[in-house]
Amino acid sequence: GAVVSQHPSRVICKSGTSVKIECRSLDFQATTMFWYRQFPKQSLMLMATSNEGSKATYEQGVEKDKFLINHASLTLSTLTVTSAHPEDSSFYICSARDLDRLYEQYFGPGTRLTVT
Amino acid sequence: QKEVEQDPGPLSVPEGAIVSLNCTYSNSAFQYFMWYRQYSRKGPELLMYTYSSGNKEDGRFTAQVDKSSKYISLFIRDSQPSDSATYLCAMSDLDSNYQLIWGAGTKLIIKP
Repeated sequence: GAVVSQHPSRVICKSGTSVKIECRSLDFQATTMFWYRQFPKQSLMLMATSNEGSKATYEQGVEKDKFLINHASLTLSTLTVTSAHPEDSSFYICSARDLDRLYEQYFGPGTRLTVT
Repeated sequence: QKEVEQDPGPLSVPEGAIVSLNCTYSNSAFQYFMWYRQYSRKGPELLMYTYSSGNKEDGRFTAQVDKSSKYISLFIRDSQPSDSATYLCAMSDLDSNYQLIWGAGTKLIIKP
């Protein structure tokens, strides 16, 4: 099956700093990537959708200036959490799909962000 | 009312039992019905998907879709302790560009 990697798997940062999370599709070209946030014992919450070479589309209530998304290539998307605060602490997961199978999303292993 | 309803459990069954996990939905436009398995602190893993109505089998797993009742199921035969995880259903359709709409996830515990 398709493989998606995420880096780092865990990160701890101080309040006010920025953190970048990378998402890579390893064996397919991802025309679209998605970023989700998951709180403990809850389902996934879609934050934004990014298409290669285009600006990301953010879901209602998600601050685009706080969660910067870049999808510069067909295999890499990045999420930068700017001026992080403790309430940004969460599990962030990316997923990717290719043009041939739009209905299938493959997920990365997730990144646990802790802001102190 | 949520678009997709799924009992969060937990559902605890003995090893070897047949497990039935279910979701109901309200949007009749949904075309693809997915089941994901998520282990603690990991990303979801696509188990299987079904297009429209019908059954699909993959090893010990069987997915069923009943569009007339807006009801989907995942059956796990000969359940193993390694099947203990959270199972999430998700659905999508062409009109929404296949954006996944998620159930809450059911936590499954298989007792040895």
